[in-house]
Order: sequence, then structure tokens, then C-alpha cells
Amino acid sequence: ETGVTQSPTHLIKTRGQQVTLRCSSQSGHNTVSWYQQALGQGPQFIFQYYREEENGRGNFPPRFSGLQFPNYSSELNVNALELDDSALYLCASSPGLASPPEQYFGPGTRLTVT
Amino acid sequence: GESVGLHLPTLSVQEGDNSIINCAYSNSASDYFIWYKQESGKGPQFIIDIRSNMDKRQGQRVTVLLNKTVKHLSLQIAATQPGDSAVYFCAENLRGGADGLTFGKGTHLIIQP
Repeated sequence: ETGVTQSPTHLIKTRGQQVTLRCSSQSGHNTVSWYQQALGQGPQFIFQYYREEENGRGNFPPRFSGLQFPNYSSELNVNALELDDSALYLCASSPGLASPPEQYFGPGTRLTVT
Repeated sequence: GESVGLHLPTLSVQEGDNSIINCAYSNSASDYFIWYKQESGKGPQFIIDIRSNMDKRQGQRVTVLLNKTVKHLSLQIAATQPGDSAVYFCAENLRGGADGLTFGKGTHLIIQP
């Protein structure tokens, strides 16, 4: 186990709704990254937060947004849900911005959009 | 398109044999590579990593080989066990972490008894 936790485990939403997913990083880690993993695919990078600021972003539209809190936990928010947003959402924490970027993944939240 | 890809979607090996999982990458600027193992219903689990200034790195029962000339990465698992059954992903990093990791589609390793 990595010490990274995510909630909820599973979630079902309707197209057009909004969703918030949560992540608690491993103790001592101040960097959190979010990934989207469609069925049968590898994870795709959404964005990264370092000390409460967005530090990098992948090719995702603005309706994907996030927050990081002073305790380094994080939220992923998705507005105006689309059917293609159905996926496993993974959170990964890192001890900082040092290279190489060792990332430790949580178990994920399975989002289904109907 | 993705800059990291895998040659085979499924690999079936006999228990006790060695497994070799391959990965091709297209971006010569990548400077860090990682192999992850993902079991059903779980997040990716770190196996081993290698930096671009190395060509081989060994861990416990695993070895990663990097061939920068042909942009190829491989994961070797010695004496494969039933618990090794999973999907294996290679991932690369381009810019010290801020751009995240770029993953391939994965190889499903199946262990035959």
C-alpha cells in the first residue's frame, strides 16, 4: 500500500452534472498529480499541484479543475460531465518536485457517466 | 499520438519462466522511465525506474534495459510467479515531473500454471 487514499471508490453521475473527487496524499508528500484512465488504456495526465498551486497540466479542457489544500490533500472537479468522462481517476503523490518524479498512486475512483 | 507504446497487448508465460515486456518510445528528450504494475481494481504500483544516462538497472527479480539508440525499453521478470499476473505499463517523463508521466497502453501478463 502507498498511503494514498481516494474517495469515493465508485460514483455514478448523469451527463451534464458536476463531480468532485478527493485524494489524501502520502504523509510527507506535498505534490499531487491526477490522471484519467479509460478502460483498457494507460493513465493520462490531467494536472499536478504543488504547494496549493497548479504546477503543470495535460491536454484536458478547463472543465477539469482542481484544488490542493494546506494539508496537501487535493480535489478534482469536473463540470458538465460527458459520457467520455467515464473512467478510473487516479491520484498520485510525490515528495516534491525533485527529479526523478517518484509518484505513488492511490486505488482510484471509478466514475461512470450515464 | 502517444509517445510511449507497447509492442504486445498480451503476454502469456509459464510459471517459473522469465518474462520480457517491451516498450517503444518516440521522444528522444525523455530522461526518465518507469515501469508500473497494475492489478485489477488497484492503482499502478511502482516496480523499477531508470534514468536516461543508464542502460540497465536491476531490482529484486526485475531488470530494466534502456536502448536509447532505438528508443526501446524492456522489463525482465525472472522466475515468473502467479502474483506477477497484471497489466504492466511503461511511462516516461519529459520535464522533471511538471508535465506528468506519459503512459503507454499496457501489456497484460498472464501466468500459465
